[in-house]
Amino acid sequence: SYVLTQPPSLSVAPGQTARITCGGNNIGIKSVHWYQQRPGQAPVLVVYDDSDRPSGIPERFSGSNSGNTATLTISRVEAGDEADYYCQVWDTSSDQGVFGGGTKLTVL
Amino acid sequence: QVQLVESGGGVVQPGRSLRLSCAASGFTFSTYGMHWVRQAPGKGLEWVAVIWYDGNNKYYADSVKGRFTISRANSRNTLYLQMNSLRAEDTAVYYCARGAIRYFDYWGQGTLVTVSS
Repeated sequence: SYVLTQPPSLSVAPGQTARITCGGNNIGIKSVHWYQQRPGQAPVLVVYDDSDRPSGIPERFSGSNSGNTATLTISRVEAGDEADYYCQVWDTSSDQGVFGGGTKLTVL
Repeated sequence: QVQLVESGGGVVQPGRSLRLSCAASGFTFSTYGMHWVRQAPGKGLEWVAVIWYDGNNKYYADSVKGRFTISRANSRNTLYLQMNSLRAEDTAVYYCARGAIRYFDYWGQGTLVTVSS
């Protein structure tokens, strides 16, 4: 089955840029989606189809995908961005959803 | 607005069964695929199952195949997950999520299932 690899944690200072990576074999040919999960809350979709944002998601959130790595970029990080972030793809060979292990973003 | 409300969680002994429900509102339920996703305590997200909009196709994670059954009642705007032969490792918060082709655009708040003797 398809495997997605994320760094377990990332720390950034307020106002800086956070880049969260998601590695997978030839992930660049897949559509990658990203979710934010704040403590005690349900996940929220923040980027879909590599780089599109749902309505209501700030422009500070952006995504890219190429080769073996997809990246979620959060510009001008704020305290409220502190959360777990998960990447996700759909494995069409098995018709199964696949999540990365998640990255805990800490705002210093 | 889209709302998904899960129910049916609780404490159950290993080997027993439990059925979860997810009541949907705020959108045309019968035109969307629906998913179950779970999260064990302190762990990451794990996709569990999907059912297509018309109920004709269902797919499962390898970890639950043969034990869990996803179903839906479009007339009642309700999604179900029948969980049989439960194991300790099935302990998790179970979320229902609306499917937008290959991702999940709305999530419920989840219901906790604890498998313990």
